Amino acid sequence: TQLLEQSPQFLSIQEGENLTVYCNSSSVFSSLQWYRQEPGEGPVLLVTVVTGGEVKKLKRLTFQFGDARKDSSLHITAAQPGDTGLYLCAGARNYGQNFVFGPGTRLSVLP
Amino acid sequence: GAGVSQSPSNKVTEKGKDVELRCDPISGHTALYWYRQSLGQGLEFLIYFQGNSAPDKSGLPSDRFSAERTGGSVSTLTIQRTQQEDSAVYLCASSLRTSGSEQFFGPGTRLTVL
Repeated sequence: TQLLEQSPQFLSIQEGENLTVYCNSSSVFSSLQWYRQEPGEGPVLLVTVVTGGEVKKLKRLTFQFGDARKDSSLHITAAQPGDTGLYLCAGARNYGQNFVFGPGTRLSVLP
Repeated sequence: GAGVSQSPSNKVTEKGKDVELRCDPISGHTALYWYRQSLGQGLEFLIYFQGNSAPDKSGLPSDRFSAERTGGSVSTLTIQRTQQEDSAVYLCASSLRTSGSEQFFGPGTRLTVL
């Protein structure tokens, strides 16, 4: 059983569309991170959220940490082919503990 | 370069052989992690080194897997008597410290066991 669940598992959309991917758990996290991994490369950190209800924006990407700190969402506006990749969420249960990764959402943005 | 490097980038081996995978973390990073990623899957934690503390080996799947970190820098992941199910991409990451720090990942070593 995964500590973190991500949905959808796969998503294929056309350039210009909006999308939201989700990261869910029954556990509370002190902090949660989102990474993007492109083919043949290691994951790269996009954002870290630490406060329940927190919303962070990074250009066309909007990240939200749930009020109860058990879930998070990533919304992409006007998706571009360069957004294609595997989106991974990672959570730390307590301060000082290692992050546990979810299985990821594989996004494909078609031109 | 200033990033995490891993070698080799690709390794093909025969079932039953031993393999060593190398990771050079970012200079000054005290934390080092190894993960395994099977095709199309997320990251499976293997082992974690933090400074001079005893490593967290809780993710190693069997006693055929071991890792060392010499001098607080370079790390080697060794897989003995490789099996076909060991085929995966092995990723190394380092961070300045633990507890919320950003992990910087290397490009990975793709291991194929025939």
